[in-house]
Amino acid sequence: DQQVKQNSPSLSVQEGRISILNCDYTNSMFDYFLWYKKYPAEGPTFLISISSIKDKNEDGRFTVFLNKSAKHLSLHIVPSQPGDSAVYFCAASLNYGGSQGNLIFGKGTKLSVKP
Amino acid sequence: EPEVTQTPSHQVTQMGQEVILRCVPISNHLYFYWYRQILGQKVEFLVSFYNNEISEKSEIFDDQFSVERPDGSNFTLKIRSTKLEDSAMYFCASSSETTDTQYFGPGTRLTVL
Repeated sequence: DQQVKQNSPSLSVQEGRISILNCDYTNSMFDYFLWYKKYPAEGPTFLISISSIKDKNEDGRFTVFLNKSAKHLSLHIVPSQPGDSAVYFCAASLNYGGSQGNLIFGKGTKLSVKP
Repeated sequence: EPEVTQTPSHQVTQMGQEVILRCVPISNHLYFYWYRQILGQKVEFLVSFYNNEISEKSEIFDDQFSVERPDGSNFTLKIRSTKLEDSAMYFCASSSETTDTQYFGPGTRLTVL
């Protein structure tokens, strides 16, 4: 039961270039999507979110794009920095605002940004 | 910046023993959650809690699990009789009615021997 899929387990990018992390989902009822970043031995850290009524949300170096017809979202990091090296999780929720809906996570993509 | 805290950071227990994992959510948050991540697997939802009762629970959250908000600040997860397969990282999270985002604690690593 993989309602949220991150098909790339790892991604390696050169410092200064763009990192693009992808996520696909199967449940068209999902209405809120989030990206979390996780370092080893730490909890997930919230990065950026988007509701299903939007197709783009930007926060500094991070931009999330949502393509509802394709049930696909992506996280763009530009420019990438070595400190961005971590595991990135995509998560989806059935209620707008995760306040009541539980989050369904993908398996994560390990990003390595090389100096 | 306010954050979710969890104690202990690492708990080792014998199979069949009871464990209590503790969390202090962000102070003005009203929704509380427990998730777990078995090594090498996804982060999985266990339970959500609002207004002193369980809002939603997954099939993982069976009769061996319970949650409680014993006072105005703590939120606990109890596993009554631990099994080997309960070994995992357990994450607490909280959210408010306005942020629409769940904020996670650093986790408790539970090792069942």
